[in-house]
Amino acid sequence: DAGVTQSPTHLIKTRGQQVTLRCSPKSGHDTVSWYQQALGQGPQFIFQYYEEEERQRGNFPDRFSGHQFPNYSSELNVNALLLGDSALYLCASSFWGAPSYEQYFGPGTRLTVT
Amino acid sequence: RKEVEQDPGPFNVPEGATVAFNCTYSNSASQSFFWYRQDCRKEPKLLMSVYSSGNEDGRFTAQLNRASQYISLLIRDSKLSDSATYLCAVTRMGLYNNNDMRFGAGTRLTVKP
Repeated sequence: DAGVTQSPTHLIKTRGQQVTLRCSPKSGHDTVSWYQQALGQGPQFIFQYYEEEERQRGNFPDRFSGHQFPNYSSELNVNALLLGDSALYLCASSFWGAPSYEQYFGPGTRLTVT
Repeated sequence: RKEVEQDPGPFNVPEGATVAFNCTYSNSASQSFFWYRQDCRKEPKLLMSVYSSGNEDGRFTAQLNRASQYISLLIRDSKLSDSATYLCAVTRMGLYNNNDMRFGAGTRLTVKP
């Protein structure tokens, strides 16, 4: 049973560039949430996707956008990268209808903006 | 005020010690509560859910106090392998009856020989 997978594992970009990160949820899960985790901080909620729609959004600018595909996989896009976007980007999957909301995280993508 | 706040730590304890972590949350409509463990440069892994009646899993005990909006994690007989950052997580109902999860900043634990 495959867990949550993310790609790439590491990425180095320059300020002003754009980046796309990818996530495949755990088998049986239909909901994907994205988080940004800066060094020494807890994960910060970016947004959540279900049925190919953004269902909830945290306090992140429009430079952060996403997409969910019919197979439940998801992408996170960040435009006009800033140095402050350097962080570990985590994808978490869950089942929308579960009575107890448990999320499982992928290994993350470590983004460095120079 | 942050939505979820934890003891900043770090906690440095000897093997065999008992250590407790605290977490408070500000949204009284919060519904589900969890503790995650995160090793250095790895993803958070679900340690345990926290139930209203309190729950135990081996050396780990979690408590929830809804009235005080407070959850705790107790680790007994600490092992070297318990060294990690412990994240408190709280979910709340979103606009679409979904759940979204908010995390504390984490408490770093180091267990020493």
